[in-house]
Amino acid sequence: AQKVTQAQTEISVVEKEDVTLDCVYETRDTTYYLFWYKQPPSGELVFLIRRNSFDEQNEISGRYSWNFQKSTSSFNFTITASQVVDSAVYFCALLTTSGTYKYIFGTGTRLKVLA
Amino acid sequence: NAGVTQTPKFRVLKTGQSMTLLCAQDMNHEYMYWYRQDPGMGLRLIHYSVGEGTTAKGEVPDGYNVSRLKKQNFLLGLESAAPSQTSVYFCASRWTSGRESLNTGELFFGEGSRLTVL
Repeated sequence: AQKVTQAQTEISVVEKEDVTLDCVYETRDTTYYLFWYKQPPSGELVFLIRRNSFDEQNEISGRYSWNFQKSTSSFNFTITASQVVDSAVYFCALLTTSGTYKYIFGTGTRLKVLA
Repeated sequence: NAGVTQTPKFRVLKTGQSMTLLCAQDMNHEYMYWYRQDPGMGLRLIHYSVGEGTTAKGEVPDGYNVSRLKKQNFLLGLESAAPSQTSVYFCASRWTSGRESLNTGELFFGEGSRLTVL
């Protein structure tokens, strides 16, 4: 079965705090891709990052960093020095390569950054 | 560039009415998807298409039909709307080279269509 679990429904932090959003996935595919998307209050969905199953290097982009660990089937997202503009719903997604290419999304984590 | 455009943005229906949501993309993408977003449920795949003339069922297809007569358009139809179909609907598309390792895999989303069924 293919599944993405984001156990944190909602997180509140104070501005400048660091925050980590958890994502745990399940798949039997050996080749797969993981994504993070951001949905700000305006409602659109914005692509943040993709990782493939063969590349476990962590990635940093400005204040954002991603930790991919196959051993624990996790793809966690950390925001350093959070800002109010980071307030959004964040979705983790899994792209399966068996059969046709379907994306499976987690239920999302709502992040509230308080000034 | 318009990207992915959904029409209408808002619609209120009565139970039993029918309607069609139109998704249009101008990026020459092969793959198109329809999702619904409900509180606490994330994004759930309704139907998808891997090319003109093709459609396939996703996770929650019941009560919906789709058509992809032209590559740039993906239509989502509700034949007899029910209150359970009250949701925000997102269309998405993606480019593919045929080799997944060469693709970014990025989904391009429309702005969403908010549908209320009374």
